[in-house]
Amino acid sequence: DTAVSQTPKYLVTQMGNDKSIKCEQNLGHDTMYWYKQDSKKFLKIMFSYNNKELIINETVPNRFSPKSPDKAHLNLHINSLELGDSAVYFCASSQVHDGSSSYNEQFFGPGTRLTVL
Amino acid sequence: GQNIDQPTEMTATEGAIVQINCTYQTSGFNGLFWYQQHAGEAPTFLSYNVLDGLEEKGRFSSFLSRSKGYSYLLLKELQMKDSASYLCAVMGSWGKFQFGAGTQVVVTP
Repeated sequence: DTAVSQTPKYLVTQMGNDKSIKCEQNLGHDTMYWYKQDSKKFLKIMFSYNNKELIINETVPNRFSPKSPDKAHLNLHINSLELGDSAVYFCASSQVHDGSSSYNEQFFGPGTRLTVL
Repeated sequence: GQNIDQPTEMTATEGAIVQINCTYQTSGFNGLFWYQQHAGEAPTFLSYNVLDGLEEKGRFSSFLSRSKGYSYLLLKELQMKDSASYLCAVMGSWGKFQFGAGTQVVVTP
């Protein structure tokens, strides 16, 4: 069984459209994350939720809105897509989100490759 | 702010040893992680260090010096399948993860 799953795996869309990416984890983890990996392979955190509450919100345009209906799901909605949004988006989860512990280890989903034309 | 530096690329031959260095400056420190990422795939966890010293896991070892803001990942007995990007990540204050840009390791026959 897949631990962290994302849908869709590929997303090709036109500028200006609105799209959503879904993420689910079956690990029983409390914390979930969204990362963006650009063409230079730099992995940058966007958001983090702990038990459905937003705990990290990096400098991300407000066109990006995460939603966590329960602690096993974290979805990402993007409005008015721009060319610069093209990237691979990774969802991840960890057992905890603070303190010094290997339980902060993050498990990543397979990624969603978004291409904006 | 947070800053993590690691070399862009390293090349080594099969069977050799490669050491990937990572230096960091972060707000708070709750541990350093190393991840492996093959092309087109998700990062996977390799190691975690929070205390100074060496952690060994089979062919891979990771070292940490908190006073120097320095870590390295040592890959021994390199295999072709070890060709991948290796990401250094630091967990700072408030559970915030910061990843380095990754080191592309190329293993040649």
